[in-house]
Amino acid sequence: DAGVIQSPRHEVTEMGQEVTLRCKPISGHDYLFWYRQTMMRGLELLIYFNNNVPIDDSGMPEDRFSAKMPNASFSTLKIQPSEPRDSAVYFCASRGDREVEQYFGPGTRLTVT
Amino acid sequence: AQSVAQPEDQVNVAEGNPLTVKCTYSVSGNPYLFWYVQYPNRGLQFLLKYITGDNLVKGSYGFEAEFNKSQTSFHLKKPSALVSDSALYFCAVRDIRNYGQNFVFGPGTRLSVLP
Repeated sequence: DAGVIQSPRHEVTEMGQEVTLRCKPISGHDYLFWYRQTMMRGLELLIYFNNNVPIDDSGMPEDRFSAKMPNASFSTLKIQPSEPRDSAVYFCASRGDREVEQYFGPGTRLTVT
Repeated sequence: AQSVAQPEDQVNVAEGNPLTVKCTYSVSGNPYLFWYVQYPNRGLQFLLKYITGDNLVKGSYGFEAEFNKSQTSFHLKKPSALVSDSALYFCAVRDIRNYGQNFVFGPGTRLSVLP
């Protein structure tokens, strides 16, 4: 298995632009999680899906952030408009229904100038 | 509310010596506990977990962790450290009440193994 795949690995954009981060979970995994990692706040759960349905989005910082999971093999995290304070590493993770541990992708390093 | 503390920002150990990375937790119910490792510019890699059963849990790369309910701790250990173990280590807890999925991570401890 290729593991969790994220793209792009690095993204540099200007303030005000739309940013879309992509994730392909491990095949067969029912849960998908989006995290953000910063020096100040550490790892924060933004949102998670179960069977493509958003279950808990209480960690999404504000309305500029949105996430979708149109099918079992693809999810996006969108920021519109982006701001410099959104600069962070964004991780996607997935897990199977019968597992408790999560498996992380390599992350997307986002820089908003 | 759930929380995880890793009291040391940095741990330095000489190669070949035993290492310990500390973790304490706070949950209302029975915890699921995890250790993850992050190498530079990489995602988190799962090392081991405690759900129930033996308090000493063995994981990947020779790591083990000891669950201590009375001290609410879950310290990561390895008998003989390698330079390649140098990385950022995260402890995490999941509260299993109501089948919750909430995964709370500690702030991380940077381990440096010196040759």
